[in-house]
Amino acid sequence: AQKVTQAQTEISVVEKEDVTLDCVYETRDTTYYLFWYKQPPSGELVFLIRRNSFDEQNEISGRYSWNFQKSTSSFNFTITASQVVDSAVYFCALSEKKSSGDKLTFGTGTRLAVRP
Amino acid sequence: SAVISQKPSRDICQRGTSLTIQCQVDSQVTMMFWYRQQPGQSLTLIATANQGSEATYESGFVIDKFPISRPNLTFSTLTVSNMSPEDSSIYLCSVVMAVSYNEQFFGPGTRLTVL
Repeated sequence: AQKVTQAQTEISVVEKEDVTLDCVYETRDTTYYLFWYKQPPSGELVFLIRRNSFDEQNEISGRYSWNFQKSTSSFNFTITASQVVDSAVYFCALSEKKSSGDKLTFGTGTRLAVRP
Repeated sequence: SAVISQKPSRDICQRGTSLTIQCQVDSQVTMMFWYRQQPGQSLTLIATANQGSEATYESGFVIDKFPISRPNLTFSTLTVSNMSPEDSSIYLCSVVMAVSYNEQFFGPGTRLTVL
C-alpha cells in the first residue's frame, strides 16, 4: 500500500527565513509520481510541482526548490526567504496507477506559519 | 491548467437531507475525481467519476451515500445523501487533462456543514 508521511505537523518561521518541509513516501511501484500542493486559508488546492520517479534532478522555481532522493524515498520542499504569503498548509502526494486512472495518496500536510 | 468551478461554494444543511455539489470545467478533461477533506485533515479520495458509467468508489465509500454522475467530459456532480454531522467537510473535485498527463488540478471546494 502507498503511504506518504509528513512528520512536521506545524512549522513557524520568521519572514525571510528559509524553511524545509519534509516528505517521505512508500510505494511498491517502480514508476510513480510525486506532487506538492499548497492550500492557503481560502481552501483551494494549488498545484506546485510534479516529479516522476526516473528524474532525480533537483528543481528550482523562484524561491521554491525540491530535493528528490530516491535512495531515502524523500521529496523535500524548501522555501527560500519565506514571506507571509507562504503561510498555508502544504501537502505532499504520491500517485498510484490504477485501472480507473491515477490515484493520489496525500500526506497529512504541514501547516506553515510565516510571521512578519 | 483548466478553470474549475464548484457550486455551491459552501452550505449549511440539516441532518437527514441531501446536497448535490456540481463541478464544471472549462475544457474537456480525461479524468475527474471527488475528494473529501474533513476538518483539519488531509484529502481522501471518494471516487473516480467515469463518463457515462458508474463511478469507481474507494474503500469506505458507497454509491448509496455518495452518488456521482458524469454525463459529459466537462461536468460532474456528487451528492451527499442522508447527511449527518460527520459529513461536515470540504468536498473537492479534481481533474486530469490529457495534455498534462497525470497532473491533478483541484476546484475551489465546497465547504459543507451539517447541523
